[in-house]
Amino acid sequence: EIVLTQSPGSLSLSPGEGATLSCRASQSLPTRYLAWYQQKPGQAPRLLIDGVSRRATDIPDRFSGSGSGTDFTLNIDRLEPEDSAVYFCHQYGSSPTFGQGTKLEI
Amino acid sequence: QVQLVESGGGVVQPGGSLRLSCAGSGFTFRRHAFHWFRQAPGKGLEWVAVISDDGNSKYYADSLQGRITVSRDNSENTVHLQLNNLRREDAAKYFCARAYTVFGVASDYWGQGTLVTVSS
Repeated sequence: EIVLTQSPGSLSLSPGEGATLSCRASQSLPTRYLAWYQQKPGQAPRLLIDGVSRRATDIPDRFSGSGSGTDFTLNIDRLEPEDSAVYFCHQYGSSPTFGQGTKLEI
Repeated sequence: QVQLVESGGGVVQPGGSLRLSCAGSGFTFRRHAFHWFRQAPGKGLEWVAVISDDGNSKYYADSLQGRITVSRDNSENTVHLQLNNLRREDAAKYFCARAYTVFGVASDYWGQGTLVTVSS
């Protein structure tokens, strides 16, 4: 099983600042099957990024993903209050797993 | 618009069973695979199972193998998850989510989930 470890566990930033969320895999993901989700309390996860860096439909370009191998990053520019949420990374290979999440407070 | 609505959750005693359902609308249901995920209160997400678009391929998380069965009815636009011999650690919100293939494509739409409570 591929274990995904996210850091930091939580982050508190001000509107207009930028956020960098990290996701490290226990083994290399050669197929780029890495996604990021945003989840607000009581809601279903919302797909932000798949294929490491491809924004999902209707996701603003303030959100960007990057990385390769075992290290992946979600960047959120020009933070807005509605970006407050938990962000999960997710590898969707043959035995899907999730990171434990990063709680972002704006 | 794409909608996925789960149902069937509730309170069940340890050792009991539940059948969860997920009804899809607003898209061509038979063209998608469907995953089930779960999230225990205050915890992260865990993959549970997936079924292919035609229902012929099914895969399960090792931790649940033997106690769960996923099925679908494309004529009813519904996917089901049968949970048997439930344990306290199975208590969670269960989500269904669609994908274009069983693996290799991220789930783009999720339902709001249905809550399973395991308690005597």
